[in-house]
Amino acid sequence: QVQLVESGGGLVKPGGSLRLSCAASGFIFSDYYMTWIRQAPGKGLQWVSVVSSSGTHTNYADSVKGRFSISRDNAKHSLYLHMNSLRAEDTAVYYCARGYSGYDRAFDMWGQGTMVTVSS
Amino acid sequence: QSALTQPASVSGSPGQSITISCTGTSSDIGAYDYVSWYQQHPGKAPKLMISDVSDRPSGVSDRFSGSKSGNTASLTISGLQAEDEADYYCSSYRSVSIILFGTGTKVTVL
Repeated sequence: QVQLVESGGGLVKPGGSLRLSCAASGFIFSDYYMTWIRQAPGKGLQWVSVVSSSGTHTNYADSVKGRFSISRDNAKHSLYLHMNSLRAEDTAVYYCARGYSGYDRAFDMWGQGTMVTVSS
Repeated sequence: QSALTQPASVSGSPGQSITISCTGTSSDIGAYDYVSWYQQHPGKAPKLMISDVSDRPSGVSDRFSGSKSGNTASLTISGLQAEDEADYYCSSYRSVSIILFGTGTKVTVL
C-alpha cells in the first residue's frame, strides 16, 4: 500500500524539542525528494523544509531556519523533522509529502498529518 | 517569504465554471513554470490537482485546468459539482527547493 504515516506529534512547552517521523511504504523512497509542510489551526499551508532524495541537499523556511533540522534514512524508508526551541507559532498539523515525479516543486502524496501543540 | 495572494472565497452554482486566481511576483510565479494547485476537504490532507501550471496528475478530473500569465496563475473548475466544495491552495517555486503557498480559497457550491 502506497502511503506516508507521520508520528511524534504532541504537546510540548515553549522552548522544548520534538522529533517527527514519517514512515513511507509502497514506493521507492530513495527516488523522491521529501518535504514537511505545516498548517496552523484554521490557517493555510506553509512549506517548512525539504530534503533531496539522497539526503545531501536540504532547505528551510526562514521561520524555522536554525531551529529545525530535516533528515532521512533511506534504508528505513523514513523521514524526520527535528524541532528545537519550539514557539507557540509552531503549533500546527505537520504533513510529510512526497515530491511529484521525484522532484521538489509539487507534492503528490501526503500523510494524514501529526499535530504539534506548543503551549505552557 | 510572504504567501501568494488568493481570493478568500469563490462560489458558483452546479454546472457553472469558476476561476481562482493566485497572484505572486516576478520572483516566484513570474520566474518559474512550477505552479501547483491543491484541493483540501475539511479534516483531510491536501490533494494535488495541477502541477507545472497546467498538468493534471493521473486520476484528476479534466474539469480542472490551470494557466498562468505573468505573475498570476489561475485554476478553473468547469461543470462545478457538489464534491468540488473545498479549500484550494496554489503554490509556486520561489527559489531552489523553496515553495510558497497561496493564502487559500474556499469554494462554495451554491
